[in-house]
Amino acid sequence: GESVGLHLPTLSVQEGDNSIINCAYSNSASDYFIWYKQESGKGPQFIIDIRSNMDKRQGQRVTVLLNKTVKHLSLQIAATQPGDSAVYFCAENIISGAGSYQLTFGKGTKLSVIP
Amino acid sequence: GAVVSQHPSRVICKSGTSVKIECRSLDFQATTMFWYRQFPKQSLMLMATSNEGSKATYEQGVEKDKFLINHASLTLSTLTVTSAHPEDSSFYICSASGQRNQPQHFGDGTRLSIL
Repeated sequence: GESVGLHLPTLSVQEGDNSIINCAYSNSASDYFIWYKQESGKGPQFIIDIRSNMDKRQGQRVTVLLNKTVKHLSLQIAATQPGDSAVYFCAENIISGAGSYQLTFGKGTKLSVIP
Repeated sequence: GAVVSQHPSRVICKSGTSVKIECRSLDFQATTMFWYRQFPKQSLMLMATSNEGSKATYEQGVEKDKFLINHASLTLSTLTVTSAHPEDSSFYICSASGQRNQPQHFGDGTRLSIL
């Protein structure tokens, strides 16, 4: 059967406040990073990406920051809304041993928005 | 945006049954498709990478004879769970990508429950 579920880190935010979700990645050779949002029972949904030659990228209400020195990625959501409640995953793009590329996902953070 | 369709969304079947899951990219040609498995409250674990017209590359610990992958065209990949048992019960998710360093787009997953 399935493994006993681990508890995801949870971030609770008041509606209208800003949210910051953090992620540490493992491979200094990773050159492309993506944030995904996953709602219950659904597949991950692309939010925003950033390449390693940048340290900041902005989208609509979202900003991704990349600090390659400490291998840290963050997602900032402005004016958080109830519809933002979901699990958020960071992913790093890694070239596999066979030369193809693949994503490695972080553990995820559950964002709960309090109305 | 890019759309990936996964079917069926839910399967409940008896132990020993083989189950086929389809993953289609609807509006782009997917040179590479990926299959993931996700346990409750956990992250996505890559099972295998498939490139159109070639054999899939399986991650360590994933039985290729148990999880058969076919990527016969640029828009369709299938995962067949052969002789499924209760321990195979999980959430299976596919993704597709057209090019390296472009975001993977995910299907909505298949909830597989083996009785």
